[in-house]
Amino acid sequence: DAKTTQPPSMDCAEGRAANLPCNHSTISGNEYVYWYRQIHSQGPQYIIHGLKNNETNEMASLIITEDRKSSTLILPHATLRDTAVYYCIVRVAGETSGSRLTFGEGTQLTVNP
Amino acid sequence: NAGVMQNPRHLVRRRGQEARLRCSPMKGHSHVYWYRQLPEEGLKFMVYLQKENIIDESGMPKERFSAEFPKEGPSILRIQQVVRGDSAAYFCASSQGWDQPQHFGDGTRLSIL
Repeated sequence: DAKTTQPPSMDCAEGRAANLPCNHSTISGNEYVYWYRQIHSQGPQYIIHGLKNNETNEMASLIITEDRKSSTLILPHATLRDTAVYYCIVRVAGETSGSRLTFGEGTQLTVNP
Repeated sequence: NAGVMQNPRHLVRRRGQEARLRCSPMKGHSHVYWYRQLPEEGLKFMVYLQKENIIDESGMPKERFSAEFPKEGPSILRIQQVVRGDSAAYFCASSQGWDQPQHFGDGTRLSIL
């Protein structure tokens, strides 16, 4: 799986948009970009995923650059409950090799009042 | 809708005992994954199972660890003759298919005395 690089920490003011970057410069054509978050002591929570196109759901938006070498997760109106570690994961599309998620260090997002 | 259910939430064992961790996937999900999070470390993939089959166990320690997902009932992660180094949070995830997002439970915290 391609390696991802994320900043170790970020701060965001409550009510503002949180933009979390991720570099995945060695991504292959059949690899998806997934985002999860882990709030302290809880299990990881799926947020969103995409292959080429930008994606949006009720939680967030995912912007993938045209060359697919980087992406940005956008939380449009961050709340204190969004404070968590956010993981950007590149996942190959394959029944066996694509089964595992490889978690890196992630970005600790702290939303401040 | 019930999410992924793991029990027990906390498990204490003495060295040399056996630990059994249970995971009931989300309704309609037939794919189960186990991950381990050691203290101050990231989540690491252990094993991927479908009903009655182990698909990928590349992350499982070679000895003392086993997993099953029987036709009926929850998936079980079994650790025999536990040692202090087995102390960790064990997370289970499930999905509808190998290419679908994995949804996690809140984990079992295993402590070895």
